[in-house]
Amino acid sequence: GQNIDQPTEMTATEGAIVQINCTYQTSGFNGLFWYQQHAGEAPTFLSYNVLDGLEEKGRFSSFLSRSKGYSYLLLKELQMKDSASYLCAVRDQGRGSTLGRLYFGRGTQLTVWP
Amino acid sequence: EAGVAQSPRYKIIEKRQSVAFWCNPISGHATLYWYQQILGQGPKLLIQFQNNGVVDDSQLPKDRFSAERLKGVDSTLKIQPAKLEDSAVYLCASSLDSQNTDTQYFGPGTRLTVL
Repeated sequence: GQNIDQPTEMTATEGAIVQINCTYQTSGFNGLFWYQQHAGEAPTFLSYNVLDGLEEKGRFSSFLSRSKGYSYLLLKELQMKDSASYLCAVRDQGRGSTLGRLYFGRGTQLTVWP
Repeated sequence: EAGVAQSPRYKIIEKRQSVAFWCNPISGHATLYWYQQILGQGPKLLIQFQNNGVVDDSQLPKDRFSAERLKGVDSTLKIQPAKLEDSAVYLCASSLDSQNTDTQYFGPGTRLTVL
């Protein structure tokens, strides 16, 4: 199985930058995902990292270090609508033709204040 | 492109009753997943289908939970009999099953309350 750790809660103000960290311990690794989940809604895909380094997508960036078992999600120019839970998910090595199972962390509840 | 559809959105039952959830994945997506998300936790995989075959059901409580995906499209998840600890949101997701990112896309979920 996997052990995925991320902070429970974070707060920030509009226009600021926030970094949400995720550490993981795996028995196999085949990619790391970040999802955003607004209260009462389904998770929506934000980013994917499988190689070390930074992936940038507009206001959101995600970083991965496989040797350290570490990732972060960076949110710039925060807006009120960014208030949500951010889920870190690690995919393990699959068997046969499958790509592996996703293991989710508990999520980091981000509150953006005006 | 239509997203993953699920019904019902909400269900309230008493313990020991049975319940069924339905999922229609994104058209053309070969892989379908059922997750259980308990309040304050991340989603936990219950079962994964590739087309109409089960790939992974190691975390499905098979004494009370069952799932099927006839014809490799729609899927149903059943709980019989329900327990109080089954109260959760049941999320269905699908993916194209490519060899690249294979991103999972989630439906709106069914919120189950067991009294």
